[in-house]
Amino acid sequence: DAKTTQPNSMESNEEEPVHLPCNHSTISGTDYIHWYRQLPSQGPEYVIHGLTSNVNNRMASLAIAEDRKSSTLILHRATLRDAAVYYCILRAYSGAGSYQLTFGKGTKLSVIP
Amino acid sequence: EAGVTQFPSHSVIEKGQTVTLRCDPISGHDNLYWYRRVMGKEIKFLLHFVKESKQDESGMPNNRFLAERTGGTYSTLKVQPAELEDSGVYFCASSQDLLAGVHEQYFGPGTRLTVT
Repeated sequence: DAKTTQPNSMESNEEEPVHLPCNHSTISGTDYIHWYRQLPSQGPEYVIHGLTSNVNNRMASLAIAEDRKSSTLILHRATLRDAAVYYCILRAYSGAGSYQLTFGKGTKLSVIP
Repeated sequence: EAGVTQFPSHSVIEKGQTVTLRCDPISGHDNLYWYRRVMGKEIKFLLHFVKESKQDESGMPNNRFLAERTGGTYSTLKVQPAELEDSGVYFCASSQDLLAGVHEQYFGPGTRLTVT
């Protein structure tokens, strides 16, 4: 499976934008880039996904490099509720009709009041 | 609409005992996944059901783990006999029909399993 590289941790001040980077230099043409986050004591939560073009939704924006070897999750105004571990995941088709998610260590985001 | 629910939230058992975890997916979701995070490790995929069929069970660690989804609704994951290294948090997730292009997996809160 293609792997992703993320910083172990990041800090942001409340109300400021946050840019969470992810490198995936071995991405294949059919891999979707997914972002999930996990708040303390909860299960992972879907944030956003994309293939080639930048994407926006109510939670965040996803900026994908032209060569697709990196991407950035953008939280436009960090709140205390955004403190979580953020996972950048390449969703590979496993060949058995399964779309399993392969989690790495993720980036632990701390938001400072 | 109710989310993915898991029962129990926490289970403490002794080594050698049997434990059954239950997952109720979001109504209408054909796809059901089991994942787990054991101590100090990353979240790992266990298996994937499409309705009542096992689509991919490549992540199941060994034959002490048995997953079922009779009738294509809720699923159970049985560990028999439990070992110390099975301790961790077991997550269930569900998603809609993959052919419809839906990508999100919705996760439950997890079951924390402690084997002593």
